[in-house]
Amino acid sequence: DVKVTQSSRYLVKRTGEKVFLECVQDMDHENMFWYRQDPGLGLRLIYFSYDVKMKEKGDIPEGYSVSREKKERFSLILESASTNQTSMYLCASSYRLLAGGNEQFFGPGTRLTVL
Amino acid sequence: AQSVAQPEDQVNVAEGNPLTVKCTYSVSGNPYLFWYVQYPNRGLQFLLKYITGDNLVKGSYGFEAEFNKSQTSFHLKKPSALVSDSALYFCAVLGGSQGNLIFGKGTKLSVKP
Repeated sequence: DVKVTQSSRYLVKRTGEKVFLECVQDMDHENMFWYRQDPGLGLRLIYFSYDVKMKEKGDIPEGYSVSREKKERFSLILESASTNQTSMYLCASSYRLLAGGNEQFFGPGTRLTVL
Repeated sequence: AQSVAQPEDQVNVAEGNPLTVKCTYSVSGNPYLFWYVQYPNRGLQFLLKYITGDNLVKGSYGFEAEFNKSQTSFHLKKPSALVSDSALYFCAVLGGSQGNLIFGKGTKLSVKP
């Protein structure tokens, strides 16, 4: 079974802190993704990566950065956390697109609260 | 631009009755469509996908979805709902050539005994 793990289930940080969210997958997937989930807004893509050291902006990259130094690990960084970044953060991974439509596998999520 | 819409925020069904969760899409080219389920305080789980071929796609936990090109819809169905099917359901469409998905806002399914 594919396993996607996230470093924390719950996290509480203060405004202005630098926050690291870590994601690890064990299926040798090329693609990795970071989403945030907010009630009534569904999932919105923050960043994704299709290879080591490669990254692409999603729909809402402002206030975030990412790092992918190894294939299995994809980190989301909040340079200076703000209260409007309080949310559920979901990591996902998938094989690189082949014939079209490789499903993504999700981690359990990190619920981040910024005070 | 690719997009999906889930017109219902919530669907209520009695246990044992058939259920339908609606999804419509807007794409340029051939659509690649997905359904995911999210149980409380959990990540998303893949249910099924449509790439090509038969319009009726069967997936996990007894769910199926019908692709309708003329109506640009991909509704999720199950013949007999269970209380344990209560969850948040997301429809998604392939957003680009690198595999990113675009998700709908989600539909909360509530199955009452």
